Amino acid sequence: GNSVTQMEGPVTLSEEAFLTINCTYTATGYPSLFWYVQYPGEGLQLLLKATKADDKGSNKGFEATYRKETTSFHLEKGSVQVSDSAVYFCALSPISNFGNEKLTFGTGTRLTIIP
Amino acid sequence: EAGVTQFPSHSVIEKGQTVTLRCDPISGHDNLYWYRRVMGKEIKFLLHFVKESKQDESGMPNNRFLAERTGGTYSTLKVQPAELEDSGVYFCASSQEWPWGTDTQYFGPGTRLTVL
Repeated sequence: GNSVTQMEGPVTLSEEAFLTINCTYTATGYPSLFWYVQYPGEGLQLLLKATKADDKGSNKGFEATYRKETTSFHLEKGSVQVSDSAVYFCALSPISNFGNEKLTFGTGTRLTIIP
Repeated sequence: EAGVTQFPSHSVIEKGQTVTLRCDPISGHDNLYWYRRVMGKEIKFLLHFVKESKQDESGMPNNRFLAERTGGTYSTLKVQPAELEDSGVYFCASSQEWPWGTDTQYFGPGTRLTVL
């Protein structure tokens, strides 16, 4: 079956540090890959996505590249801010002839940025 | 445009009681999903509606859980009777129906259920 393995947290960084949150997946075919973020007291928000190999998703300074050869979709940001403190979830959704499919999530990584 | 809304935001009940969670999807979204996150673990799929029909309910844990989507609009998820292990955050998501593959799912804020 499909699975997502995500870097264990919590992660604590200083402001302006470089961020990497690792995510690898197991799936048949070519799933769509997502990063969702949950800020304190809020619901899940889509941060970025990629739908095919070598695609790069980007948003709010965050980037992730769909690597088919390593089955990875690592999240990166060059300079984090206190406002980036949140829980980050990596997820995949298989492509099928039936269209929309359920998401499979990783366990989430809690990120705290200190000033 | 309003996003996905869920009610209540938080529910505290005793073991054996009944609780009903509600989700209102984004207007025009035929697909509606329920997920839950238990004890800080991964978010797990419960079921998927296409309009008023259950497309996939493979994630429903047992027959104490009943989901409905009358008229293909809002959905309810009833837990009866609630058990301690049902505590967690229940998320609802919706997406548009596309013929060429998966579209983005938009999530609600979640309902935090605490069973004492």
